[in-house]
Amino acid sequence: AQKVTQAQTEISVVEKEDVTLDCVYETRDTTYYLFWYKQPPSGELVFLIRRNSFDEQNEISGRYSWNFQKSTSSFNFTITASQVVDSAVYFCALRASNSGYALNFGKGTSLLVTP
Amino acid sequence: DTGVSQNPRHKITKRGQNVTFRCDPISEHNRLYWYRQTLGQGPEFLTYFQNEAQLEKSRLLSDRFSAERPKGSFSTLEIQRTEQGDSAMYLCASSHSWFRREGRGCQETQYFGPGTRLLVL
Repeated sequence: AQKVTQAQTEISVVEKEDVTLDCVYETRDTTYYLFWYKQPPSGELVFLIRRNSFDEQNEISGRYSWNFQKSTSSFNFTITASQVVDSAVYFCALRASNSGYALNFGKGTSLLVTP
Repeated sequence: DTGVSQNPRHKITKRGQNVTFRCDPISEHNRLYWYRQTLGQGPEFLTYFQNEAQLEKSRLLSDRFSAERPKGSFSTLEIQRTEQGDSAMYLCASSHSWFRREGRGCQETQYFGPGTRLLVL
C-alpha cells in the first residue's frame, strides 16, 4: 500500500521568511514518483514538481527547492523568502510504478503568508 | 496549449437527482483521471481511462457512479440518485504517458482542471 503523510496541517509565516513543508511517504516499490501540487483558494491543483525515485539530484526552481531523502522516505519542499501569493494548500503525492496510475495524496498543508 | 477544462464549475442539486460532469483534457493526452476531494482532505482517486478504455476503478466508485470517455477525448462522470455524502469537489486530470528507459517505469505528470464543486441538498 502507498501512503503519504503531511504532518503539518497549517503553517503561518510572515512574508520573506523561509518555510519548509514536510512530506513522508511509504511504499514497497523500488520505482516510484513523488509530486508536489499547489491548490490556491480558486481550487485548481497546480503541478509544481515530479521527482523520480531513481534520480539523484535535488531540485531548485527559483524560490522553490525540494529535498529528496530516500533514507528517511521524505520529500520536503522549501519556499525561500515567502510571498503572500504563496498562500495556498500544498499537497504531496506518490505514485508507485507497480501499483497502478492513481496518485496517492497526503492531506495537505495549508500555508498562510502574511505581509 | 490550453489546460484541462471542466464543466460546470459549480452544481447544486437536490438529493435523489442525477448529475453529469464533463472534462476536456489537454489535447493529445491519452490518459484521463477522475478524483474526488472533500473539505480538508487530499484528492482521492476514482477512475482512469487510457484512450477510451476505463482501466481502473476505485472502491469509492459505487454503482451510482459511471464514467465514460467515448472517443478517447472528453469524459463524463455521472452520479445517479445523488446523496448528501456526494457533496465534494470533482477533479479531472489528464496526462501523456511515456516510458523513459527499461526499468524506469511509466513517467507521467497529471495536470488537473479547475474542478466541479457539487453540493447536494
